[in-house]
Amino acid sequence: SQTIHQWPATLVQPVGSPLSLECTVEGTSNPNLYWYRQAAGRGLQLLFYSVGIGQISSEVPQNLSASRPQDRQFILSSKKLLLSDSGFYLCAWSGRGIGAGARMDTGELFFGEGSRLTVL
Amino acid sequence: AQKITQTQPGMFVQEKEAVTLDCTYDTSDQSYGLFWYKQPSSGEMIFLIYQGSYDEQNATEGRYSLNFQKARKSANLVISASQLGDSAMYFCAMREGRDGNNRLAFGKGNQVVVIP
Repeated sequence: SQTIHQWPATLVQPVGSPLSLECTVEGTSNPNLYWYRQAAGRGLQLLFYSVGIGQISSEVPQNLSASRPQDRQFILSSKKLLLSDSGFYLCAWSGRGIGAGARMDTGELFFGEGSRLTVL
Repeated sequence: AQKITQTQPGMFVQEKEAVTLDCTYDTSDQSYGLFWYKQPSSGEMIFLIYQGSYDEQNATEGRYSLNFQKARKSANLVISASQLGDSAMYFCAMREGRDGNNRLAFGKGNQVVVIP
């Protein structure tokens, strides 16, 4: 079965410090990978997605970046954190197929446990 | 423009009662998918139900059903026989197109509190 794991679960960082959140997927190959951010009491905002190694698409311009050094590894980074970067970060994966029937074919996202970042 | 709209304020629901969560969406695609996720206080995102745009019947998954009205572009979630564990945020989401990128656009969520 497929699993997704992200870490760290909780992070408190000072303004201007770097950030690295890591996400790995097991039990599947060539997944689509995503980073979402959820500000307090808000919906999910797509930050980055990747359809393959080294292929990163950014949805929102910001001081964050993402990398996919391996097929099932997705990293969210920042060189200098801002107060506004505080939030709950969720990594997710999906299958590639689109069609009726199997859950992976619907485009369903499977989420990690989330990483709560507080920038002080 | 916002693609998924969830505007209901926080809701209190009596245990064992049914609750309907509203969701409207905006798309010009003919092929799309609609999802509902549950987010308890722990933060994890739990998939509840899926409706494809070409599905003729409303989706059902246990106590969850989706009232899909394509012409009105609405995909309301119905939770029957509410339980205390249903207290959570509920998010409606949409996947557009068939390009395989599977990006989901999420609404802002509905807060549900089930009271005994």
